[in-house]
Amino acid sequence: DTAVSQTPKYLVTQMGNDKSIKCEQNLGHDTMYWYKQDSKKFLKIMFSYNNKELIINETVPNRFSPKSPDKAHLNLHINSLELGDSAVYFCASSQEAGGELFFGEGSRLTVL
Amino acid sequence: DAKTTQPPSMDCAEGRAANLPCNHSTISGNEYVYWYRQIHSQGPQYIIHGLKNNETNEMASLIITEDRKSSTLILPHATLRDTAVYYCIVRSRSGSARQLTFGSGTQLTVLP
Repeated sequence: DTAVSQTPKYLVTQMGNDKSIKCEQNLGHDTMYWYKQDSKKFLKIMFSYNNKELIINETVPNRFSPKSPDKAHLNLHINSLELGDSAVYFCASSQEAGGELFFGEGSRLTVL
Repeated sequence: DAKTTQPPSMDCAEGRAANLPCNHSTISGNEYVYWYRQIHSQGPQYIIHGLKNNETNEMASLIITEDRKSSTLILPHATLRDTAVYYCIVRSRSGSARQLTFGSGTQLTVLP
């Protein structure tokens, strides 16, 4: 059973479109995260939710909107996609804020 | 401002110990040292963490110097599957967003 699962794994779309990436964790963790890994391979935190409440929003354009319907899910919706949004997006979770992170396999977004 | 410094790349012979260094000279008293690795095209994987004592688990050992300004991750018998980028990060349990961002890490290549 996959602990942190993301869908879709690959996403190719045109500039200006709106797309969503879904994430689910079955670890019973309280905190979930979205990370962006660009072509330089840095893993940058974007958002963090603890028990469905936003606790970190790290200077991400407001075209990116996370939504947490319950503590096992954290989805990422992106409006008006731009070329620079092309990256691999990783979802992660931890037992508590500050605990070790468990990552999903990533969702590779390509904006044409 | 980088909190950790790691060599960009290292090689290790299969079956030998891989020793990966990390400098964190500005570490605070309540900050832990965490190690993760990312095998190509996969999500990052937690390896180990420690505060000031040396730690060992089934994957690796973590040696932290007495002044806590540097640490070494040891893979005792490296295999080809240990080829990955290894990230060292320092963070407190109530870490800021900046502490959740991973740097460029060390590309470890295990050679046959």
